[in-house]
Amino acid sequence: AQSVAQPEDQVNVAEGNPLTVKCTYSVSGNPYLFWYVQYPNRGLQFLLKYITGDNLVKGSYGFEAEFNKSQTSFHLKKPSALVSDSALYFCAVRDSGGFKTIFGAGTRLFVKA
Amino acid sequence: SAVISQKPSRDICQRGTSLTIQCQVDSQVTMMFWYRQQPGQSLTLIATANQGSEATYESGFVIDKFPISRPNLTFSTLTVSNMSPEDSSIYLCSVERFDGYTFGSGTRLTVV
Repeated sequence: AQSVAQPEDQVNVAEGNPLTVKCTYSVSGNPYLFWYVQYPNRGLQFLLKYITGDNLVKGSYGFEAEFNKSQTSFHLKKPSALVSDSALYFCAVRDSGGFKTIFGAGTRLFVKA
Repeated sequence: SAVISQKPSRDICQRGTSLTIQCQVDSQVTMMFWYRQQPGQSLTLIATANQGSEATYESGFVIDKFPISRPNLTFSTLTVSNMSPEDSSIYLCSVERFDGYTFGSGTRLTVV
């Protein structure tokens, strides 16, 4: 069975500093990995995905994520955080041989000015 | 990305009644997914709806409580039946596209 873990309920970072939101996963086959962001009272927005290819994936709003197969991780990163990045972030995983996507519990990011 | 129109956007319902949520996609898709999200929490997959066949439900969700229709490749409905306050949540439909999953704007349901 597939699963995804976001070990941090909340991440606090100062504006201008780099940020990392952690995600680890477990699938039986090759993983398809996703990051989504949810702003208050708004729907889910797709940020980026890893299917195959380069381990470093670049996405929307300056975010990127690094796929690490040996550590089964897919951490979300941004070199310089903005206050407007404050939101709820979800990591999601799907087994390449299936069609069901499982979401992590979410990590709330607070960026302080 | 696909455009999904989901309605209603919110509703307040009496316990014991039912609410049907509709999702319309702007292009044909094989699978549509229905999720539930408690406010500020993660998404839980309710079921996967394929056109022309019965929906596949996840553990903890049953057809009698959450009947789903999928009459064609662009449309699906989810009904929340015999509602109780515990059903108060946000319900979202989703489709998979090449660049990821697209979600409807959600239906915020409050059962009183």
